[in-house]
Amino acid sequence: KAGVTQTPRYLIKTRGQQVTLSCSPISGHRSVSWYQQTPGQGLQFLFEYFSETQRNKGNFPGRFSGRQFSNSRSEMNVSTLELGDSALYLCASSFAAGDTEAFFGQGTRLTVV
Amino acid sequence: TQLLEQSPQFLSIQEGENLTVYCNSSSVFSSLQWYRQEPGEGPVLLVTVVTGGEVKKLKRLTFQFGDARKDSSLHITAAQPGDTGLYLCAGRGSSNTGKLIFGQGTTLQVKP
Repeated sequence: KAGVTQTPRYLIKTRGQQVTLSCSPISGHRSVSWYQQTPGQGLQFLFEYFSETQRNKGNFPGRFSGRQFSNSRSEMNVSTLELGDSALYLCASSFAAGDTEAFFGQGTRLTVV
Repeated sequence: TQLLEQSPQFLSIQEGENLTVYCNSSSVFSSLQWYRQEPGEGPVLLVTVVTGGEVKKLKRLTFQFGDARKDSSLHITAAQPGDTGLYLCAGRGSSNTGKLIFGQGTTLQVKP
């Protein structure tokens, strides 16, 4: 059974640009959450999607947005990139909303220059 | 705001030694998960504890959830170099949210 797949693995973008990251959850899982990991702040919750609906949102500016498709795949978008957006972006897959176990992908390493 | 305080932040020990990592909060969590993360990779789930007082064992790793579901510990017996990595605890505030609140992590180095 395939795990959580995140693409791309690495990205280098320039300040002011926008970026879209993709996450395919484990087959049969319908809940996807996104996290940002930085050395200073650790792992911070961005948002959670279930059945194409955003259920929770973390304390991030509106430049961070996401969506989920009918096949449970999810994308997150960051517009007007800032240097501080450089981070490892992680996607977690769960069978159902509020399910106790979350499985993470390998992440997308975003570097903003 | 729910917070998880994880300690110690860094641990460097010799192969064969025992160690304990702590995860504490003033808030109650519906469940708590422990992950291990290698550099540049995503966290890998080790265990989920749900019931207060619960103890789970995974080979040389023992996980405990506090009676009040506010704290947890991870004990490793006879550590090996392969145990090296970043250990993260993550709590779920309620059973109907997918949001996980993470501790800052414990970087463990086990020297041969």
